[in-house]
Amino acid sequence: GENVEQHPSTLSVQEGDSAVIKCTYSDSASNYFPWYKQELGKGPQLIIDIRSNVGEKKDQRIAVTLNKTAKHFSLHITETQPEDSAVYFCAASRIYGQNFVFGPGTRLSVLP
Amino acid sequence: EAGVAQSPRYKIIEKRQSVAFWCNPISGHATLYWYQQILGQGPKLLIQFQNNGVVDDSQLPKDRFSAERLKGVDSTLKIQPAKLEDSAVYLCASSPNSGRAYNEQFFGPGTRLTVL
Repeated sequence: GENVEQHPSTLSVQEGDSAVIKCTYSDSASNYFPWYKQELGKGPQLIIDIRSNVGEKKDQRIAVTLNKTAKHFSLHITETQPEDSAVYFCAASRIYGQNFVFGPGTRLSVLP
Repeated sequence: EAGVAQSPRYKIIEKRQSVAFWCNPISGHATLYWYQQILGQGPKLLIQFQNNGVVDDSQLPKDRFSAERLKGVDSTLKIQPAKLEDSAVYLCASSPNSGRAYNEQFFGPGTRLTVL
């Protein structure tokens, strides 16, 4: 089955700096890759996603890149703010929106 | 629009006891998911419903876990009997299956279960 790895497990950046989180997946048939943000005591919330027919997608300060050949994808957050502090999860699935396999998560801390 | 509701938010039980969690998805959402999130890990899918039918329960430990979604709306997840390793946050999510975000999963706040 699918296996998703995620690095780093923790990341601390200064406010205003950029943060990059990387994920790799094992199933070459996976074609949908969402990123979720989970704040303390809350459920995960989708922040951006990408499908396999696209190499990059951007939404304001957040971007995701996908390299299908290497089977890895990355989340980029620019101009980080304290409210970006949370746990971020990547996921992969063969079917859009279903059967997600999540990575173990990255705890991002943005220091003021 | 109201989000996914879950109750209780916290539950502490002794091992071998039974426990049940309730989820009310966003109105009109056809697909409902239950996930188990162990501390420090990503959510793991336990079961997926489409309306009131099961789509995927391959990772549900059926000897002790059961779930139902009567009438295709709210759902209950039960553990009987509980083990120490069941300590986790149980997340419910739902998807609309129509419209622009037709398969985006919207998560509830979760129920934190502690088994002593």
